[in-house]
Amino acid sequence: NAGVTQTPKFRILKIGQSMTLQCAQDMNHNYMYWYRQDPGMGLKLIYYSVGAGITDKGEVPNGYNVSRSTTEDFPLRLELAAPSQTSVYFCASSSVEGQPQHFGDGTRLSIL
Amino acid sequence: GNSVTQMEGPVTLSEEAFLTINCTYTATGYPSLFWYVQYPGEGLQLLLKATKADDKGSNKGFEATYRKETTSFHLEKGSVQVSDSAVYFCALFTSGTYKYIFGTGTRLKVLA
Repeated sequence: NAGVTQTPKFRILKIGQSMTLQCAQDMNHNYMYWYRQDPGMGLKLIYYSVGAGITDKGEVPNGYNVSRSTTEDFPLRLELAAPSQTSVYFCASSSVEGQPQHFGDGTRLSIL
Repeated sequence: GNSVTQMEGPVTLSEEAFLTINCTYTATGYPSLFWYVQYPGEGLQLLLKATKADDKGSNKGFEATYRKETTSFHLEKGSVQVSDSAVYFCALFTSGTYKYIFGTGTRLKVLA
């Protein structure tokens, strides 16, 4: 029973590098979300998707891109890493609108 | 816009003490309300939910009642344990927005 799987768990990047954070869910959920969690700041929504081929911006989309080519996968791309993107990133999914979200264990990203 | 306000932590209690974590919200319409718990190094897990006024969500000894007149959803537990030490997040969802709004989280420390 995998649920939501995020890889990698930890990563250190240099300024200006790019990377993709992977997120996969095996529950056939239509709705998927990317959040960042900064200390004492709760969760900020980066991007979300309501189904394959459909994505939309959240509160803090600048510096990030997403794609949703399949129901299962929702990768998050950082093109030019900046120190301000140091954070913990969580992927989440839900079956239908308004149902509780299932979260992955997060990716801890440091940009130096 | 919609928002969630939680009491600031950390909240430090002795084992078997009574717990209250306050949560109030601002929302148009009739939101669904959630409490999530986050243990160190892990993602958020649903603790309980309520979908309409006067509903009481409960799980693992925790309870919260959806109070529309006071726009509140306070989390309570009669007797906390050391294993309850975690960060607790209050969240809401309003139909048609596709987005969940989270509070900033309240850290609970329970001492033996």
